[in-house]
This record gives sequence, structure tokens and C-alpha cells, in this order.
Amino acid sequence: DSGVTQTPKHLITATGQRVTLRCSPRSGDLSVYWYQQSLDQGLQFLIQYYNGEERAKGNILERFSAQQFPDLHSELNLSSLELGDSALYFCASSPGLTYNEQFFGPGTRLTVL
Amino acid sequence: KNQVEQSPQSLIILEGKNCTLQCNYTVSPFSNLRWYKQDTGRGPVSLTIMTFSENTKSNGRYTATLDADTKQSSLHITASQLSDSASYICVVSANDYKLSFGAGTTVTVRA
Repeated sequence: DSGVTQTPKHLITATGQRVTLRCSPRSGDLSVYWYQQSLDQGLQFLIQYYNGEERAKGNILERFSAQQFPDLHSELNLSSLELGDSALYFCASSPGLTYNEQFFGPGTRLTVL
Repeated sequence: KNQVEQSPQSLIILEGKNCTLQCNYTVSPFSNLRWYKQDTGRGPVSLTIMTFSENTKSNGRYTATLDADTKQSSLHITASQLSDSASYICVVSANDYKLSFGAGTTVTVRA
């Protein structure tokens, strides 16, 4: 158990819909990262927040957005969902910005029908 | 463009044997390099983290090496066990906090 929690574990929805994935980092960690992993694909970095502010952006679509709240939990919002958005979405946290081990959550499996 | 390439894409080894995974990168300016193990359907777990000045680091039966001059890293698994079956991911961090991920090497250990 990494100490990072993600909800829900599974999510099934339809194309065109909007969903919100939630992540609670390890106690004391200020950085939260979001990743997408499609079937048989590598991890794709989406976005990083540090202490409430966006710090780095990867291959995140405009239909996707994220935020980190004052209590440091984070949410990833996915809108206008397409079939290709079906994937595992991982959240990770680390104490600071650089040279920190990242601890990954168990992931949310999103299925878009 | 920062890139991380891993080889081989997959490999099968017999239990008890050793294997070595490769990672070549073009990330610059380099900050650190990490190896992760990811079991199917689960989140990755960190194995090692190395900075520019470190050229080898061990975590049990896993030993990572780094040659910052040639921008190459390797992960050596000694006396493999069935539980080593997983995907191994090389991740390189640049000084601007951005992470570049390799596609991973899938290791299958057979009895």
C-alpha cells in the first residue's frame, strides 16, 4: 500500500459524458501527478500540481483538466469522453518537486462505451 | 525532443536466471533516472533513483547502472523469481521537473 488513494476504482460511462477522478496523496506529500495508461501502452504523463499550483504539463488533452485543492487532494476531470479515453488513470504523489520518489495509487480504470 | 528508449520490448527468462534491461535517453538537462516495476493492472513501484553522480544502485536483487556520459542505464535482475514477471519502466527527469517515460520492458519469468 503506497498511501495514495484513488476513487473510484472502476468507472463505466458513455461517450460524450463527463467524469471526475479523485486522488488523495500520501500524508505530507505536496506534489500530485496524473498519468494515463491505455491498454498495452506505456505511462503517459498528463499533469503535475505542487501545493495547489500547476507545475508541469504533459500530453494532456484540452478536454481534460485537473486541480489540486487546499487539502492537497486532486481531481482529474475528463469531458466529452471518447472511446479512446478508455484507460487506467494513475495518480502519484511525492514530497517535493524534484529528485523525489513517486508513490503511485492503485489507479482508476475508465471504460467508455 | 526528450526521449527514453527501452530494450528489449519484452523478454522471457527461466526462473533463477539473470537478465539485463537497457534504457537509452536523450533528456537534457538531466536530473535523475528512475526504474519502476509495474505489475499488470497495478501502479508502478519505484526500484531505484539515480542522479548524475551515481553510477550504480542496488535494491535487493535489482541493480541499476547509469552512464551519464553515454546517456545509458541498465537494470540487472539477479536470480529471477516468478514474482519478477512485470513491466519495468525507465523514467528520466529533466531539471524542469518534466518526466520522460520509456515504453517499458515486459519480463516474463517461467518455472
